[in-house]
Amino acid sequence: GAGVSQSPSNKVTEKGKDVELRCDPISGHTALYWYRQSLGQGLEFLIYFQGNSAPDKSGLPSDRFSAERTGGSVSTLTIQRTQQEDSAVYLCASSLDGLKETQYFGPGTRLLVL
Amino acid sequence: GENVEQHPSTLSVQEGDSAVIKCTYSDSASNYFPWYKQELGKRPQLIIDIRSNVGEKKDQRIAVTLNKTAKHFSLHITETQPEDSAVYFCAAALNQAGTALIFGKGTTLSVSS
Repeated sequence: GAGVSQSPSNKVTEKGKDVELRCDPISGHTALYWYRQSLGQGLEFLIYFQGNSAPDKSGLPSDRFSAERTGGSVSTLTIQRTQQEDSAVYLCASSLDGLKETQYFGPGTRLLVL
Repeated sequence: GENVEQHPSTLSVQEGDSAVIKCTYSDSASNYFPWYKQELGKRPQLIIDIRSNVGEKKDQRIAVTLNKTAKHFSLHITETQPEDSAVYFCAAALNQAGTALIFGKGTTLSVSS
């Protein structure tokens, strides 16, 4: 079946502009996660959604970052007033409910802020 | 919160040798420990995972061991091949709905032929 998809695959933007990154999870997966991977670094947790519960936003680095998940499926990560240090690969993952923890990752969006 | 330390950051081995990557975690309540492999330019993919009710799990050339008392777990790759070259990430999480994984910083494994 279809895996996790993300768009765009690459995004180049100017400092100060807003960007939106999209994630389509695997159909039926109730949990959705956003991670950030800077060059040569590990995976940094940003936010996760579980069903209709309030999202865990504890990993968001600043109030310029926000995310929504509409209808329990597609999610959008928004970065406002981008800065050069926001340049990274943003990875989305999804998993079934708490009984199944395996997270399947999307291909990522490579963001470059000039 | 949980903190995961991973060592070494880089590991170079000859083809056919074994490779071992070690991780420690801080939250004794964590009970799910997956390992992901990320090839250059590709997404992370789960290669093996272990839950806290077992001490070891094997899948062909890959094995993971868990020591809950010491709060560390290790990835063992035997008979390494050049295609094993990648970045490997360990992670830890609580076994509950929607738990986010806390990742180690990764180990770059290079297998030379």
